[in-house]
Amino acid sequence: SAVISQKPSRDICQRGTSLTIQCQVDSQVTMMFWYRQQPGQSLTLIATANQGSEATYESGFVIDKFPISRPNLTFSTLTVSNMSPEDSSIYLCSVDEGWNTEAFFGQGTRLTVV
Amino acid sequence: TQLLEQSPQFLSIQEGENLTVYCNSSSVFSSLQWYRQEPGEGPVLLVTVVTGGEVKKLKRLTFQFGDARKDSSLHITAAQPGDTGLYLCAGARSNDYKLSFGAGTTVTVRA
Repeated sequence: SAVISQKPSRDICQRGTSLTIQCQVDSQVTMMFWYRQQPGQSLTLIATANQGSEATYESGFVIDKFPISRPNLTFSTLTVSNMSPEDSSIYLCSVDEGWNTEAFFGQGTRLTVV
Repeated sequence: TQLLEQSPQFLSIQEGENLTVYCNSSSVFSSLQWYRQEPGEGPVLLVTVVTGGEVKKLKRLTFQFGDARKDSSLHITAAQPGDTGLYLCAGARSNDYKLSFGAGTTVTVRA
């Protein structure tokens, strides 16, 4: 099983600023996933981050707003840019061990934009 | 529109009662997973079912995968306050590397 360290665990940010969330995995993985979750609700996939190529974004999410880095097989960052209160949410990174296998999650970053 | 319809959205029961959560779809899944998430944590896998008609038991939790691999259920017997959490079903399809998540069921077990 993969152990994921995500930080920060929470932050309160001013609107118009940017926040970068880090995700570190204890093993090499091909794909890393970034999700957004409103408290008590389901997960919405933002993008899939592959090492050595650009991230693949889901409908409704764009690179200018959520730039992603994937410099190696154990690390990724998600930046929430030019934040507004609507960006207040929980952001989760996730990995799996192959096609259609169990997903492992970080503990999440609870972001509040004021 | 979500690929997986999960119901109910909320469940509040007394300790010792039973509960069932449902996950339905019109799509066929190669596997279906159930996760539980507690506040401030990421979801944690409970079980994966892969064979149509499969039944798996995990202590007081029973998971079923429909014969056609389009639906699943989670049944908890004699619920305890420690079962409180957000339960999520997630389906994997053979032609898609991404998981499809249900809307989630918030379960509250009162002591």
